[in-house]
Amino acid sequence: AQSVTQLDSQVPVFEEAPVELRCNYSSSVSVYLFWYVQYPNQGLQLLLKYLSGSTLVKGINGFEAEFNKSQTSFHLRKPSVHISDTAEYFCAVRPGGYQKVTFGTGTKLQVIP
Amino acid sequence: EADIYQTPRYLVIGTGKKITLECSQTMGHDKMYWYQQDPGMELHLIHYSYGVNSTEKGDLSSESTVSRIRTEHFPLTLESARPSHTSQYLCASSEGQPEQFFGPGTRLTVL
Repeated sequence: AQSVTQLDSQVPVFEEAPVELRCNYSSSVSVYLFWYVQYPNQGLQLLLKYLSGSTLVKGINGFEAEFNKSQTSFHLRKPSVHISDTAEYFCAVRPGGYQKVTFGTGTKLQVIP
Repeated sequence: EADIYQTPRYLVIGTGKKITLECSQTMGHDKMYWYQQDPGMELHLIHYSYGVNSTEKGDLSSESTVSRIRTEHFPLTLESARPSHTSQYLCASSEGQPEQFFGPGTRLTVL
């Protein structure tokens, strides 16, 4: 069985500062990895995904993530955050060949003006 | 425009009432899912369907039931709502690609 750990439940950061949201996973097989964003009172929206190939993945809204197989991590980064980035971010893992997705507990990003 | 819809968005209801949460998608996806989301916790899969007349229970035990009579429609029903059912319910769909597409959610409060 796979699991996802998002150690930071809340991350406050000043506007225009860089941010990193951490995600570690465990799985006995190769995986697909995702980051989703959830704005207040909305569903989840896909930010980016890693399927294979280049370990640096670029997504929407200027976010990127790096897949590190040896550290089983998939941290999300943005060089300069905006107020509109205030939301909750979920990391998710799906083993290749399976349909079920395991989600982390989420990290609330609060951008301070 | 291809999308996934959930109604109602918010529902406050008394204990013992029967409720149905609606989910519809216009993307023609075969696979559909229901998740339960509570603050500070991971999303829990409660039901899924891989096509018409196919439904399975997910990882989290739930007293709800689902049906899949049409590809685009995947309603969730609670026969007798209880305060423990208070939660946010998210519907999602997928087809071919590994990621899932989510609806806006239904926030249910049972008094």
